Amino acid sequence: DAMVIQNPRYQVTQFGKPVTLSCSQTLNHNVMYWYQQKSSQAPKLLFHYYDKDFNNEADTPDNFQSRRPNTSFCFLDIRSPGLGDAAMYLCATSRDKVPNAPQHFGDGTRLSIL
Amino acid sequence: KNQVEQSPQSLIILEGKNCTLQCNYTVSPFSNLRWYKQDTGRGPVSLTIMTFSENTKSNGRYTATLDADTKQSSLHITASQLSDSASYICVVRPSSNTGKLIFGQGTTLQVKP
Repeated sequence: DAMVIQNPRYQVTQFGKPVTLSCSQTLNHNVMYWYQQKSSQAPKLLFHYYDKDFNNEADTPDNFQSRRPNTSFCFLDIRSPGLGDAAMYLCATSRDKVPNAPQHFGDGTRLSIL
Repeated sequence: KNQVEQSPQSLIILEGKNCTLQCNYTVSPFSNLRWYKQDTGRGPVSLTIMTFSENTKSNGRYTATLDADTKQSSLHITASQLSDSASYICVVRPSSNTGKLIFGQGTTLQVKP
């Protein structure tokens, strides 16, 4: 089945130790998104790629970076994780920015900071 | 400011009962309104989508309604099942073609046997 796959499902890292989360998709969608979702809160958009065009949200900390080496893969790099970065990180894709195209979400990576 | 507010924040019902979740929004103009279901530890999954010209949309036991005049939407769940226990998120897409969605905080539904 075509889908959005996130690895790992659970990630534990130490305070200040860089960590990379990965997302892959078999939908061949040209738009990929990274969201941060904290407990009982709505997902918060960090950035998105439209093809290779990177779009950062104004309030996304510099600590968060992303790479998209090809259509299928996208990575979220957290350079120096702090305790406040513990959250669920959701990757989503959509087929272009047509208004009614749904975003397809992966099952997320839950990040814990020690 | 574009906002989406949902009520109640949480809800507990008995298996087999019906329930209705509410969503109020201030996003205007908007392209569509979508209800997502998010199981614990999983990503959101789309249940229904409505454009501003649609009043109701069904997906099995889920029925969504939209009143564009009052800027309200509801999600009605009929004959609830234990598997309906999840968070239900109302998401509005503004008409501007940025792709950025406005999420509600969600309603956490627990269905008890």
